[in-house]
Amino acid sequence: QKEVEQNSGPLSVPEGAIASLNCTYSDRGSQSFFWYRQYSGKSPELIMFIYSNGDKEDGRFTAQLNKASQYVSLLIRDSQPSDSATYLCAVNKYIIGNNDMRFGAGTRLTVKP
Amino acid sequence: DTEVTQTPKHLVMGMTNKKSLKCEQHMGHRAMYWYKQKAKKPPELMFVYSYEKLSINESVPSRFSPECPNSSLLNLHLHALQPEDSALYLCASSQALAKNIQYFGAGTRLSVL
Repeated sequence: QKEVEQNSGPLSVPEGAIASLNCTYSDRGSQSFFWYRQYSGKSPELIMFIYSNGDKEDGRFTAQLNKASQYVSLLIRDSQPSDSATYLCAVNKYIIGNNDMRFGAGTRLTVKP
Repeated sequence: DTEVTQTPKHLVMGMTNKKSLKCEQHMGHRAMYWYKQKAKKPPELMFVYSYEKLSINESVPSRFSPECPNSSLLNLHLHALQPEDSALYLCASSQALAKNIQYFGAGTRLSVL
């Protein structure tokens, strides 16, 4: 079982629709959760982070965390062509001063005009 | 300011060369990271420095040698690399805290001939 699993996609949505990206993780001791956006040939860019169960909203983005189900999701409302990228889910575990972050394989999102 | 600066942006080297990648941040972060990313794959953690001490080494071959001269700088020394080491090398930094919000540099695209 992979530590962090994502559907690789590609996920295709029309412009203006809601894109839903999902991620599951295996380590119940994980404490912080992140979504990064990565355009082709570029470095990952932090989009959202969440630590507590529930929803966290920032503009068009909503992150959802359910620790009991070991599940994290990212909703993108009013999707734009510029949202077309690979979205990486990352899960962090902190152990006595050290952080160990693991990435999922990423979901490729295409937003069609 | 969430800037992490990596130099050079591109590097081509032969298998007998010695070169270094550099990373710098001025956010007061006390944890710095090296990742390797191959095409269409997620970043893979290589090394973690926490308070200038190497805290995680993910069984990386000795031809990669990290160095953290001070809290703002991180180097990756390269020697006798193989063509399969060609990849995007990413540096990131974070506060050395449990929440571990990591910010990435733009990366160095390395080609080994």
